[in-house]
Amino acid sequence: SQQGEEDPQALSIQEGENATMNCSYKTSINNLQWYRQNSGRGLVHLILIRSNEREKHSGRLRVTLDTSKKSSSLLITASRAADTASYFCALAGGTSYGKLTFGQGTILTVHP
Amino acid sequence: DVKVTQSSRYLVKRTGEKVFLECVQDMDHENMFWYRQDPGLGLRLIYFSYDVKMKEKGDIPEGYSVSREKKERFSLILESASTNQTSMYLCASSSSSGSIYREQYFGPGTRLTVT
Repeated sequence: SQQGEEDPQALSIQEGENATMNCSYKTSINNLQWYRQNSGRGLVHLILIRSNEREKHSGRLRVTLDTSKKSSSLLITASRAADTASYFCALAGGTSYGKLTFGQGTILTVHP
Repeated sequence: DVKVTQSSRYLVKRTGEKVFLECVQDMDHENMFWYRQDPGLGLRLIYFSYDVKMKEKGDIPEGYSVSREKKERFSLILESASTNQTSMYLCASSSSSGSIYREQYFGPGTRLTVT
């Protein structure tokens, strides 16, 4: 099954800066989702963008989707130390009923 | 508030033991999933279920089985635990309402160590 490829693998920034994470994939999708995972915990759903949408916002989060380039980006603006976590993109679609395929994640560290 | 619970946060078992990992959701979701998460390999789907008593193999089902006798409960069974099954196990659930590709809600995870 297809898997999203995330870039960068790790990102280290200062509080107040913006953080951008990217996800690329190879086949068609129904939607693309972003999740956050704090160390040693379960994943938390952040945002879902459908294949016919180009941009979506939720608070300090902005997600874009370019289906022609098969890529998505997650932007966290004005980052905080509490944003330190791993971020995963997940692909939904194809022939797999209800299944999501997760990327390997980007580890974000925000220094106070 | 949405809730997925897993029976244990940490578990230590011996090689060859039968291990049960339980997951319960209180959201009346149709779909439930079991993943394992390993460094460098991300999340990999073991099994999923889209209805009571229904199950489908995921990407890495070998060495595992599942049971879903009630809608809210999905159990993962390691018939004979082996050291290569040491991992973080994550349960998730999702609704099929409106779309089969809805967001998933995760439990806190069970860190299983097999010695």
